[in-house]
Amino acid sequence: GAVVSQHPSWVICKSGTSVKIECRSLDFQATTMFWYRQFPKQSLMLMATSNEGSKATYEQGVEKDKFLINHASLTLSTLTVTSAHPEDSSFYICSATGGAIGIFNEQFFGPGTRLTVL
Amino acid sequence: LAKTTQPISMDSYEGQEVNITCSHNNIATNDYITWYQQFPSQGPRFIIQGYKTKVTNEVASLFIPADRKSSTLSLPRVSLSDTAVYYCLVGDRADHFNKFYFGSGTKLNVKP
Repeated sequence: GAVVSQHPSWVICKSGTSVKIECRSLDFQATTMFWYRQFPKQSLMLMATSNEGSKATYEQGVEKDKFLINHASLTLSTLTVTSAHPEDSSFYICSATGGAIGIFNEQFFGPGTRLTVL
Repeated sequence: LAKTTQPISMDSYEGQEVNITCSHNNIATNDYITWYQQFPSQGPRFIIQGYKTKVTNEVASLFIPADRKSSTLSLPRVSLSDTAVYYCLVGDRADHFNKFYFGSGTKLNVKP
């Protein structure tokens, strides 16, 4: 299947700093990428939908100014957690989908990024 | 909001067949049913997808009744490595903006 990578796999930062997480589709062009957050022992929570070349669409309750998403190319989307605080510590997972409408658009998930804010 | 309901957890023993049922009473005509597996600290991994009746691949089978209001993932002869959380999702396969809203998933614990 298609491969999605994330970088870094884990990051520790001080409170108040910003952290950027990259999501790349390695062998296909991702028309749409999704960002999820997962707290320990909980399910994945969709944060935003990112389409190449356009602004991301955020889910209700997700602060767009805090979680900046950029989808500059068909293979790369970035999530920047600005002014991170300990409550932002979580497992961030991206997924990517590609292909034209009418073709099976499976979401391929990245391995996740563990963010710890001290 | 998640469109699906699953049991929170299930226990099984190695070598047994495991059936996990998912309820999706409000499934739309264009929605497909997709199952993912997730191990701790990893991204979900696709298992199987179907629209109606039965679908089988090398790792699982998916049974969908005629009314499509539920589906059952069947894992034959599970092993310890099948211990994971299994998520049932519904969405429009033809919509490349299709979003997945994850429910609680089912934590499968396979015992020796």
